[in-house]
Amino acid sequence: GQQVMQIPQYQHVQEGEDFTTYCNSSTTLSNIQWYKQRPGGHPVFLIQLVKSGEVKKQKRLTFQFGEAKKNSSLHITATQTTDVGTYFCAGRSGTSYGKLTFGQGTILTVHP
Amino acid sequence: DTGVSQNPRHKITKRGQNVTFRCDPISEHNRLYWYRQTLGQGPEFLTYFQNEAQLEKSRLLSDRFSAERPKGSFSTLEIQRTEQGDSAMYLCASSPGTGGEAEQYFGPGTRLTVT
Repeated sequence: GQQVMQIPQYQHVQEGEDFTTYCNSSTTLSNIQWYKQRPGGHPVFLIQLVKSGEVKKQKRLTFQFGEAKKNSSLHITATQTTDVGTYFCAGRSGTSYGKLTFGQGTILTVHP
Repeated sequence: DTGVSQNPRHKITKRGQNVTFRCDPISEHNRLYWYRQTLGQGPEFLTYFQNEAQLEKSRLLSDRFSAERPKGSFSTLEIQRTEQGDSAMYLCASSPGTGGEAEQYFGPGTRLTVT
């Protein structure tokens, strides 16, 4: 079955440093979504990427979808303490329109 | 828009007992999803509904798990003969429309502990 892997599992940064998490799928994806989960909270939608090579920006966050639609990345510039949480990618394949397969997430800790 | 709600928020049960969780999605959201999340892992897909129809069910889901959405509004997830391995956070999410592209809105989850 479809597998989605994320690296790294943990990332500790000093406030102001950049952060990147990478997501790789075993199969080609129709789209990929990114979610953020704060400690003790539930996943909250950040963005969706659909097109091959797509790049989207949200303030300090930059999301990319690979040309082959099998990988994606999230980059945060100049992290802030409010960025703390777990970042998940979640992919959807063309054969299953409803099912989202989540990666295991990257836990980001930001030291002030 | 009051968000997705789930009840109860916490459930402690003894092994072998049956439990039922309820999810109330955002009104008029056609799709409703159930996930299970354990510590350090991402949400694991269990099943989803489009209106009252259950369209997909994970092959990982044993016959002890059943979900319903009888009127296309709220949904229930029942686990029969609970096992300690069922201890997890059970998340419900809903999304608008009938396509597969819509973002999912998650509820706060029901934390199940099986003793």
